[in-house]
Amino acid sequence: SQQGEEDPQALSIQEGENATMNCSYKTSINNLQWYRQNSGRGLVHLILIRSNEREKHSGRLRVTLDTSKKSSSLLITASRAADTASYFCATDEGNTGFQKLVFGTGTRLLVSP
Amino acid sequence: DVKVTQSSRYLVKRTGEKVFLECVQDMDHENMFWYRQDPGLGLRLIYFSYDVKMKEKGDIPEGYSVSREKKERFSLILESASTNQTSMYLCASNPIAGTSLYNSPLHFGNGTRLTVT
Repeated sequence: SQQGEEDPQALSIQEGENATMNCSYKTSINNLQWYRQNSGRGLVHLILIRSNEREKHSGRLRVTLDTSKKSSSLLITASRAADTASYFCATDEGNTGFQKLVFGTGTRLLVSP
Repeated sequence: DVKVTQSSRYLVKRTGEKVFLECVQDMDHENMFWYRQDPGLGLRLIYFSYDVKMKEKGDIPEGYSVSREKKERFSLILESASTNQTSMYLCASNPIAGTSLYNSPLHFGNGTRLTVT
């Protein structure tokens, strides 16, 4: 599987509920980033969490990072219809040499009114 | 706010045509990137540039070239378009922040959906 695999691939919830998306990766990282993409648009950066951080908050978003398990989660609290989008994690592979920011294939979130 | 502008939202070209995709950013960022996005494959890096006239190949450079004559502009060129280059193309930029290209968030344009017939 790819570096930066998101789980689940799709998530459907009601407004007001919380949404949790997970991301797993394989190699050591410098940082992990989460992006949102509305249908047919570019990606928008949400949060960057560094490898020495465990948790980060931004408004209704909470990101955790567990480097021992090589995993991260994105929690959106009190979701709104406007949160409907695809969410991607991206990992900055920590190896030397050619640097890559590897994106997963995303979680499609549908928030129904 | 950083603005990354891609010149076209939709583009239809014929096989064999030379295609130029333009990207301009207004925040004096050093690094610029071209990705393509395909269903089930996610985003794949085509080329990136960390300075004017500098370019580096990404994961899938075959069939593409790039040009960065000015800091704010990064062009992707399809030398001879083929149907397998039908895709969404995304340009991004970010400023230098330490030794890694990716210590600061990427700012993306809205994408160009290219169809090659």
